[in-house]
Order: sequence, then structure tokens, then C-alpha cells
Amino acid sequence: AAGVIQSPRHLIKEKRETATLKCYPISRHDTVYWYQQGPGQDPQFLISFYEKMQSDKGSIPDRFSAQQFSDYHSELNMSSLELGDSALYFCASSLTGEETQYFGPGTRLLVL
Amino acid sequence: QKEVEQNSGPLSVPEGAIASLNCTYSDRVSQSFFWYRQYSGKSPELIMSIYSNGDKEDGRFTAQLNKASQYVSLLIRDSQPSDSATYLCAVRGSNYQLIWGAGTKLIIKP
Repeated sequence: AAGVIQSPRHLIKEKRETATLKCYPISRHDTVYWYQQGPGQDPQFLISFYEKMQSDKGSIPDRFSAQQFSDYHSELNMSSLELGDSALYFCASSLTGEETQYFGPGTRLLVL
Repeated sequence: QKEVEQNSGPLSVPEGAIASLNCTYSDRVSQSFFWYRQYSGKSPELIMSIYSNGDKEDGRFTAQLNKASQYVSLLIRDSQPSDSATYLCAVRGSNYQLIWGAGTKLIIKP
């Protein structure tokens, strides 16, 4: 079965630009999580969605927004990009009632 | 203080030996614990999950949980060079998000 798909895999942006990251969960998975991992750091939870509704919010800046669509894919929109936003962004999906989160390959964002 | 604490390492272990990775957590009500392996630049990969006190074995890996001491560990037997990676301990939060430790870098020396 196909795993979690993220696109794009790599993205280079200038400061103050915007970026959109996409996540396609595993088939039938209804919950999506977004994590940000800076260089040499542990992942930080940003936001999660269950059945197209935001279920929890972590350390997500106000410049970022996200949503989950009717087909359960999710998009993370990032505006007014800063140098410090350069990181790996992981999406994970899970099925309601199951503990395990399955991670996508990540999107590496570089802000210049 | 981080909610999940790990020694950042690096932990160097000879090939064929047992690697022991440790993790402590601060929230006493935590119920679900996970060990992920992460190669540089790659996404975390689930190694083990554990929910009950005691040991859980899966192949060369054994997870140990002690809720009274708020301690979870991962043992890797017969360590291989391919086990060299960063091992992340994670605890499930109240809304199912994962709360991560800083990770322990493990180096298996041939």
C-alpha cells in the first residue's frame, strides 16, 4: 500500500515569500499531523486535523495556516517566510483509534 | 525542562554488542510511548510502541517501560552498522500528537 505522500520534496524560497506544502495520507486514514524539524533538532508538533476539523494546535506561528480537505489531504500554507522557517516539514497520518502515526518523507524548505 | 528527555549522545557501541537507549518523561498520565529511528535527512520510522509496564520484544529490539519511574528504554541486540541513526523517543500527547525527545545519536562501530 502507498505510504504518506508529501509534495514538494524540496522547496527554496526567498524571505517574505509564501509556500504551500501538501500531504496525502495513507488511504482510509482520517487524521493528519504536521511537524517541523529544524537542523539538529527534534520534531515539533505544529497542528493536526481529524475528519477535516482542526483537532489540536502546537507551536505553529500565526503566519502559518493549514486545512484538511474532503479527500483528507492536507495543506500547510506558510506566509511571510523567515530564515528560521528553514526546516524539514513532516506530515504523518493515522486512523482513528490507532496509536501509530505513519510519516511521509518530508518536505525540505530552505528560505534564503 | 523538556517533557521528554534523552541523552543526545553520541552513543558508540561495537558491532554485535547491545545498545541501550534511555528516555524519561515528565507527564505521569502518559499512556503511550514510541521509539522512532531517523536517518539523517529522512523521516522518522517507527521501531517500537509500548503501552504497558514491562518488556516488549520485536526481533533484535526490546522496549522497556516503567511508569512508576517514568522511564522507557530501547535495547538493540546484535547491533549492526545499519543501526547507526538517531533514535527518537516520543510520548503521545492528550490529542494524539507526539511529544518528542531530542533524540540519541547511535554509532555502531564495525
